[in-house]
Amino acid sequence: GENVEQHPSTLSVQEGDSAVIKCTYSDSASNYFPWYKQELGKGPQLIIDIRSNVGEKKDQRIAVTLNKTAKHFSLHITETQPEDSAVYFCAASRLTGGGNKLTFGTGTQLKVEL
Amino acid sequence: DTEVTQTPKHLVMGMTNKKSLKCEQHMGHRAMYWYKQKAKKPPELMFVYSYEKLSINESVPSRFSPECPNSSLLNLHLHALQPEDSALYLCASSQAREGLAARRWDEQYFGPGTRLTVT
Repeated sequence: GENVEQHPSTLSVQEGDSAVIKCTYSDSASNYFPWYKQELGKGPQLIIDIRSNVGEKKDQRIAVTLNKTAKHFSLHITETQPEDSAVYFCAASRLTGGGNKLTFGTGTQLKVEL
Repeated sequence: DTEVTQTPKHLVMGMTNKKSLKCEQHMGHRAMYWYKQKAKKPPELMFVYSYEKLSINESVPSRFSPECPNSSLLNLHLHALQPEDSALYLCASSQAREGLAARRWDEQYFGPGTRLTVT
């Protein structure tokens, strides 16, 4: 089955700096890679995703890059703000007729300090 | 609107109790999911319903019984749980995209979860 590794497990940055979180996956058939933000006491919130036919996607301060050859994908947050503090999960799946079966990374606790 | 609602928000139950968790979405999504999340861990998939039929069961113990009464509702019936079943239970849903060759599933949206404590 799919295995997703995520690094770092904790990340502390100063407000205004950039943050980068990296994931690797094992199943070359995976073709969908979402990123979720989870604040304390809440459910995961989808913040951006990328499909295997695209190398990069950007949405305001957030961008995701995908390297299919190396099986790497990364989340980039620029101009970080205190409200970006949360746990971030990457995930991978192979979109099939039976449903979108996500395999999650272990999570990154991001802390943005003033 | 990408809202998935879950009730109750918190639930405390004894090991001999029977209770149910409820999930609802009105986005027209035809896949619905149950996940279990322990503290400081990622969500773990339990069940997937596709077009109201159970399509994936990740070898979940029978004390957890899912039900999908219609395309908007998903229930998780709980019976004879153990203290180690205490966790955040998350519901999610995703849209079906009918392609030329096959159906595929789109983004998955999560509800806020039910915090379950088994005493």
